[in-house]
Amino acid sequence: QVQLQESGPGLVQPSQTLSLTCTVSGGSISSAGHYWSWFRQHPGKGLEWIGYIYHTGRSEYNPSLKSRLTLSVDTSKNQFSLNLSSVTAADTAVYYCARGGISPSGILTGYFHYWGQGTLVTVSS
Amino acid sequence: DIQMTQSPSSLSAFVGDRVTLACQASHDITNYLNWYQQKPGKAPKLLIYDASNLATGVPSRFTGGGSGTHFTLTIGSLQPEDIATYYCQQYENLPFTFGQGTRLEIK
Repeated sequence: QVQLQESGPGLVQPSQTLSLTCTVSGGSISSAGHYWSWFRQHPGKGLEWIGYIYHTGRSEYNPSLKSRLTLSVDTSKNQFSLNLSSVTAADTAVYYCARGGISPSGILTGYFHYWGQGTLVTVSS
Repeated sequence: DIQMTQSPSSLSAFVGDRVTLACQASHDITNYLNWYQQKPGKAPKLLIYDASNLATGVPSRFTGGGSGTHFTLTIGSLQPEDIATYYCQQYENLPFTFGQGTRLEIK
């Protein structure tokens, strides 16, 4: 059973960089049949897709965050990470990592069976 | 971005009721539409993918329908454990986008 676990600071100061890591267990992050995504949910609000990354390092970002966002993957640790720079209070949210699937024909499927439990990140001084 | 609009924003029903939630896309998304259930303090749980396919382990009382721009999630017989917020999500185009959610309550 695949499990994902987010980790990182729960409090980040304004203008600093928010850094989170998602550790994958029960499966390899290098699987060609999967890709790895980040989402966030502002308090009491809906869900927002942040971006995704393949084990090769190829990534796609939400245009609304692209200028501040960097996703990376460390296959040796079975982890992928998110760095969001120049944060403000508007970046306060629960951040989730999740696994997406790639069909046998190589097409990305945009549904997510496996999610981490989420981690609350508060941006405040 | 493709805008997803869910209705109603909240819904109250009796145990045993048949409940239908709606989701409308601002553009044709064929069947690239998923439904998630989220309970307070928990991660979203995939219920339906590709508009009408039941995810593994999801009870058969959940059914999805629709295509193009109009989609529905139906709970055939509402159970107490179905109390949650339900989100639709499209993946026809990046960025993936979600509806604002429908909060389901028991009368």
